[in-house]
Amino acid sequence: AQSVTQLDSQVPVFEEAPVELRCNYSSSVSVYLFWYVQYPNQGLQLLLKYLSGSTLVKGINGFEAEFNKSQTSFHLRKPSVHISDTAEYFCAVTAMFSGGYNKLIFGAGTRLAVHP
Amino acid sequence: NAGVTQTPKFRVLKTGQSMTLLCAQDMNHEYMYWYRQDPGMGLRLIHYSVGEGTTAKGEVPDGYNVSRLKKQNFLLGLESAAPSQTSVYFCASSYSAGIQPQHFGDGTRLSIL
Repeated sequence: AQSVTQLDSQVPVFEEAPVELRCNYSSSVSVYLFWYVQYPNQGLQLLLKYLSGSTLVKGINGFEAEFNKSQTSFHLRKPSVHISDTAEYFCAVTAMFSGGYNKLIFGAGTRLAVHP
Repeated sequence: NAGVTQTPKFRVLKTGQSMTLLCAQDMNHEYMYWYRQDPGMGLRLIHYSVGEGTTAKGEVPDGYNVSRLKKQNFLLGLESAAPSQTSVYFCASSYSAGIQPQHFGDGTRLSIL
């Protein structure tokens, strides 16, 4: 069964510093990978997705992620964070559910706190 | 540009009461989903629907029922609320499953006393 592990529950960082949010997945088949962001009191918004092709994926708000098949990882990075990046970030992988339908499996989330 | 709209946004119930959460989407999406979000557990799928008139169980379906009588609406019901159902509930929709991203509503905060 597919699963997603986000290695850090909280990541504090100073403004303009680089950040990496780590995500590992387990799957024996081809996967599609996603990062979502959740701002306070809001729903989830798609940051970026990996479906195929280039392993370096660029998303919105200056974020990017690298798909590493050998390490089964999909870490999210940003070279310089802003206060407005403070949010919770979720990594997700598609999984084949009973009945043949794909669905998303979410990690537990990483809370990014950007300090001035 | 509404996207996915959830009502109500907040609700407090007493144990044993019933209620229905409404999700509406205006993107003509086939797939709709109900999740619950609890601290440290990410989002867990309660039920989902692959089209009008169809529903299926997700990871944590016990204590919930759903209906999809119209393509744009997906209702989540709690017949007899329990404190363990205190959570934030999110509805999402997508054009198809798998590679298509899901679009989320802003959530319903539900407290069961």
